[in-house]
Amino acid sequence: GAVVSQHPSRVICKSGTSVKIECRSLDFQATTMFWYRQFPKQSLMLMATSNEGSKATYEQGVEKDKFLINHASLTLSTLTVTSAHPEDSSFYICSAFRPDQPQHFGDGTRLSIL
Amino acid sequence: AQRVTQPEKLLSVFKGAPVELKCNYSYSGSPELFWYVQYSRQRLQLLLRHISRESIKGFTADLNKGETSFHLKKPFAQEEDSAMYYCALGSNAGNMLTFGGGTRLMVKP
Repeated sequence: GAVVSQHPSRVICKSGTSVKIECRSLDFQATTMFWYRQFPKQSLMLMATSNEGSKATYEQGVEKDKFLINHASLTLSTLTVTSAHPEDSSFYICSAFRPDQPQHFGDGTRLSIL
Repeated sequence: AQRVTQPEKLLSVFKGAPVELKCNYSYSGSPELFWYVQYSRQRLQLLLRHISRESIKGFTADLNKGETSFHLKKPFAQEEDSAMYYCALGSNAGNMLTFGGGTRLMVKP
C-alpha cells in the first residue's frame, strides 16, 4: 500500500521554539495533504487542507499564523508550529490523498513543549 | 454540518464472540463512509470503505441510509482485533474526512 512518511516522530523543545514537521508521500503523488491534531484519548481533528502550489485552507479555530503549512511539491508538505507553547503539545498526523484513493496516513509526530 | 458519532468509547468482548462497533452519521449530501483502524503504536490504516462492499479481516460494514448508520461487524472476534477503530465520513468526493470519536475494542482471551 501507499506509504506516507512523517518526520520527526517525536519532538521535545522549549516554549517559544518553532518546530517543523515534514510529511512525504513516498510512492505516489498526492494532490492534497491533510494535517490533523489528536489530543490524548480523543479523535483526529482536521486542522488544514493543503493543495500543492496553493495556500492551505484552515479549519475554523485554527490559527494560520501559528500553524504554517507549506506544500511545495506533490510529495511534500510541511507544518511549522511557530513560537510553540505548552498548549500546542499534541499528536500531529498528516495524510496524503489523490482522487479515487482513500487517504493514507503518516505515523504521526508527538510534540511536547516544555 | 456533517457529524460522525461512535457511541461507545470502549467495547470489551471475549475471543470468539461477535462484535459490532456502532457508527452513526449526519450529512446532507451523498455520504462516503470508511472504517479506519489503529493498532497499538501503529499508524491509522484503512480497514474498509462502503463503496467497496468487501470484507477485510472478517469485518464487514453496511451503509444504512435510512438509519444513517455504518456499523462495523465481525462474527467471531480475535485477540489481534484489539485496536482503536474510527468511523469516518468523506465529503467533497471523499476528499475531506470527518472522524468519529473512536471506539477501543478489547478482545479478551
